[in-house]
Amino acid sequence: QVQLEQSGAEVKKPGSSVRVSCKASGDTSRSHTITWVRQAPGQGLEWMGRSIPSLGLQDYARKFQGRVTITADTPSSTVYMDLRGLTSADTAIYFCARSHDPSYGMDVWGRGTTVIVSS
Amino acid sequence: EIVLTQSPGTLSLSPGDRATLSCRASQSISSGYVAWYRQKPGQSPTLLISDASTRAAGVPDRFSGSGSGTDFTLTISRLEPEDFAVYYCQQYGSMPASFGQGTKLDIK
Repeated sequence: QVQLEQSGAEVKKPGSSVRVSCKASGDTSRSHTITWVRQAPGQGLEWMGRSIPSLGLQDYARKFQGRVTITADTPSSTVYMDLRGLTSADTAIYFCARSHDPSYGMDVWGRGTTVIVSS
Repeated sequence: EIVLTQSPGTLSLSPGDRATLSCRASQSISSGYVAWYRQKPGQSPTLLISDASTRAAGVPDRFSGSGSGTDFTLTISRLEPEDFAVYYCQQYGSMPASFGQGTKLDIK
């Protein structure tokens, strides 16, 4: 059974950057994807981007292009999400989620990482 | 970028009722790559349906998905207390993927 363990909560200043990690444990398929989704307080889910580590492929939402980078460290089964130029609008819970195949929905989710941006 | 519009925004029903949730896309979704998720308060979302109509492992058969092209539906045949939550559709047929804004299912 695959589990996703995310890094702990962060408090950041406006203009700074944050890195959130997502470590997969258990049986992972070779073609799995890791997607980052965020949820601002009281709001819906927002798709940020995804990585297919086995292919070295990343896709990003246009809204975050140039501000977010998703990288995968295959040996440690860890995917990182870096978000730069933080503003208060980036205050949210950041989830990582796995699809066992790019043609399937996200069937395993992390517990979420709270990021608060405040001066 | 494909925009998904869910309706209604809020659905008020009673346990045992049938629920029908709609998800409409701004353009046709390739291969019917639509998923549905349920999110209970304070929890991570959980996958219910993949590929428009395939129930995820362990999902009760009261949940069913249908649709193609631009119109998709999630049906819950008999509502249980744990079903009162927020439901999101997502398309992953065209990058970037996207979510609908959600439908809140609450107790009447």
